[in-house]
Amino acid sequence: GAVVSQHPSRVICKSGTSVKIECRSLDFQATTMFWYRQFPKKSLMLMATSNEGSKATYEQGVEKDKFLINHASLTLSTLTVTSAHPEDSSFYICSARDELAGGAQNTGELFFGEGSRLTVL
Amino acid sequence: KQEVTQIPAALSVPEGENLVLNCSFTDSAIYNLQWFRQDPGKGLTSLLLIQSSQREQTSGRLNASLDKSSGRSTLYIAASQPGDSATYLCAPDSGGYQKVTFGIGTKLQVIP
Repeated sequence: GAVVSQHPSRVICKSGTSVKIECRSLDFQATTMFWYRQFPKKSLMLMATSNEGSKATYEQGVEKDKFLINHASLTLSTLTVTSAHPEDSSFYICSARDELAGGAQNTGELFFGEGSRLTVL
Repeated sequence: KQEVTQIPAALSVPEGENLVLNCSFTDSAIYNLQWFRQDPGKGLTSLLLIQSSQREQTSGRLNASLDKSSGRSTLYIAASQPGDSATYLCAPDSGGYQKVTFGIGTKLQVIP
């Protein structure tokens, strides 16, 4: 099946620094990728929808200047947590849809990355 | 707005038992529904995808059914094994650029 690679899997940084997380679709193209955040014992919370070649669409309450998303190509989206603080510590997961397999309705299967554990000291 | 509920929230069973996980969703205008498993500290692994035109889908010991009109799906796990211990999530999907909503899932523990 299709694979989504997420890097790094773990990152520890000092407060005030910026951290970039990459999400790559390895064997399929994805016009759209999704970024989620997950708190312990909670469900996945959609942060934003990343659109190739255009601005991301952020969910209500998510600071777009804090969480910068760039979808540079059909296989790569990045999430940059700017000026990270301890409250940004969380598990971040990306997903992408295999759009070619989804046909005209774009109903292709969703694939998820392995997630990135961010710890801000 | 899609809302997803999964029952039970947690389940502990002895190895070898057959079990059923339930998922209900409020917006039946979906193209497909996926079941995922999530191991602690990991991403989501896709288990099964059921298209809206299908009633069920099978993969090995897993069988998922979909009743789109009533907003329900079930995941049946046969002959459970300790390796099945994980959190199971269902995801009704409206396709395209529509966001996918998750519930909190069912945390399954299979006891050897």
